Amino acid sequence: GAGVSQSPSNKVTEKGKDVELRCDPISGHTALYWYRQRLGQGLEFLIYFQGNSAPDKSGLPSDRFSAERTGESVSTLTIQRTQQEDSAVYLCASSLNRDLNTIYFGEGSWLTVV
Amino acid sequence: GENVEQHPSTLSVQEGDSAVIKCTYSDSASNYFPWYKQELGKGPQLIIDIRSNVGEKKDQRIAVTLNKTAKHFSLHITETQPEDSAVYFCAAPWKFQFYFGTGTSLTVIP
Repeated sequence: GAGVSQSPSNKVTEKGKDVELRCDPISGHTALYWYRQRLGQGLEFLIYFQGNSAPDKSGLPSDRFSAERTGESVSTLTIQRTQQEDSAVYLCASSLNRDLNTIYFGEGSWLTVV
Repeated sequence: GENVEQHPSTLSVQEGDSAVIKCTYSDSASNYFPWYKQELGKGPQLIIDIRSNVGEKKDQRIAVTLNKTAKHFSLHITETQPEDSAVYFCAAPWKFQFYFGTGTSLTVIP
C-alpha cells in the first residue's frame, strides 16, 4: 500500500478486556516496529520485527503485551487484561530493511481503557 | 541503549522568525539522524534526515546540522509559518531500532 495502515484508528475498551491492534506495513518493507505514545509524551519502543528473524521484544512493558508478524506482512499487537495505564496511542512503523533506513509511521491506534 | 536528549520541550516564536531545536546522543557509532513532525492526532512524519558523512543538509526552509565530535544535531526552521506549529521529535539509532527525544512543542504565533 501507499503507507503504513493501522486499525482500528480508535478503540475504547473496558478494563480487563483483551484488545488486538493491527498494522499493515508498506509493501516491500521487511522491518516493522511498534511504539507506544502516552498523551503528551515521547515515543516508547515496544517491539521490532525484521524478516523471519526472532523479534526484539525488549521494549514490551509486561507479559500482557505480545505481538506477532506473519512473514513480512501484517503484524498484530495484543494487549491482554487491559489496564487504564495502557491508554495511549500505539504507533506502527516500517522500513525497507535493517540497514537503518527511514522508518515511516502509520496514523496510530488510539486506545482508551475505561 | 542510546540516550537521546532534546531541548527545548516547548518553543514559541513569532511568524517569520527562526526556530532551533537541539538533540544530543550518546552512542558515537550512530550514523543516521531523522527528524519527525507530529501534528495533533496524527502519526509522526519524516521531515528531514542526515547521515554522518555530511555536516549539514537543507530542504527549503528546513535544515539539519550534525556535529559528530560533540554528538549533537539540530533542526533549524527559517521563516516560520503557523502551519509549522506541531511537536518535533529527533531520533538516533541503536542496533536496529530508533530512540526518540522527548519532543519539542513548537508554536508559531501569527
